[in-house]
Amino acid sequence: KAGVTQTPRYLIKTRGQQVTLSCSPISGHRSVSWYQQTPGQGLQFLFEYFSETQRNKGNFPGRFSGRQFSNSRSEMNVSTLELGDSALYLCASSAGGTGGMNTEAFFGQGTRLTVV
Amino acid sequence: KNEVEQSPQNLTAQEGEFITINCSYSVGISALHWLQQHPGGGIVSLFMLSSGKKKHGRLIATINIQEKHSSLHITASHPRDSAVYICAVIGDRDDKIIFGKGTRLHILP
Repeated sequence: KAGVTQTPRYLIKTRGQQVTLSCSPISGHRSVSWYQQTPGQGLQFLFEYFSETQRNKGNFPGRFSGRQFSNSRSEMNVSTLELGDSALYLCASSAGGTGGMNTEAFFGQGTRLTVV
Repeated sequence: KNEVEQSPQNLTAQEGEFITINCSYSVGISALHWLQQHPGGGIVSLFMLSSGKKKHGRLIATINIQEKHSSLHITASHPRDSAVYICAVIGDRDDKIIFGKGTRLHILP
């Protein structure tokens, strides 16, 4: 069974640009959650999608958005990039149920975004 | 005060030692996860707990809901256990996910 796949693995962007990251969950999983990890703030929850609907959202500005497709693949988009958006972005998939992390979650390797 | 506190922040031990990492939280939860993150970033979910105790190989996780506390134990520690261990709780009212800052474990051969 293939794991969670995130693309790209590494990305360098300049301030003001936008970026789209992709996450393909484990086959059969309907929930995809996104997280940001920085040295200062640690891991923070961005949002969770289940069956193409955003089910839960963390405390991030509107520049951070996401979507989920009918095949459960998810993308997150960050517009008007700032230096502080440099981070490791992780996604996790789970079978879903009552909430993304209320069932066992499987993480991707992450996308390391550097904003210069 | 953070809603999820882990201790210690850093831990260095000799191979073979028994390791305990603690997680205390201040909110009502529906579940607690222990995660392992190796250098390079990949995260592995070790345990998901809502009560009691779970064991997987040399790893044991316990949770005391009344005391709002969980521990992760590693028996017969090995250098390959060197990683950051992160506690994450799921709020029982809003499914809000809160992470601890992590415990950096270094096992010396």
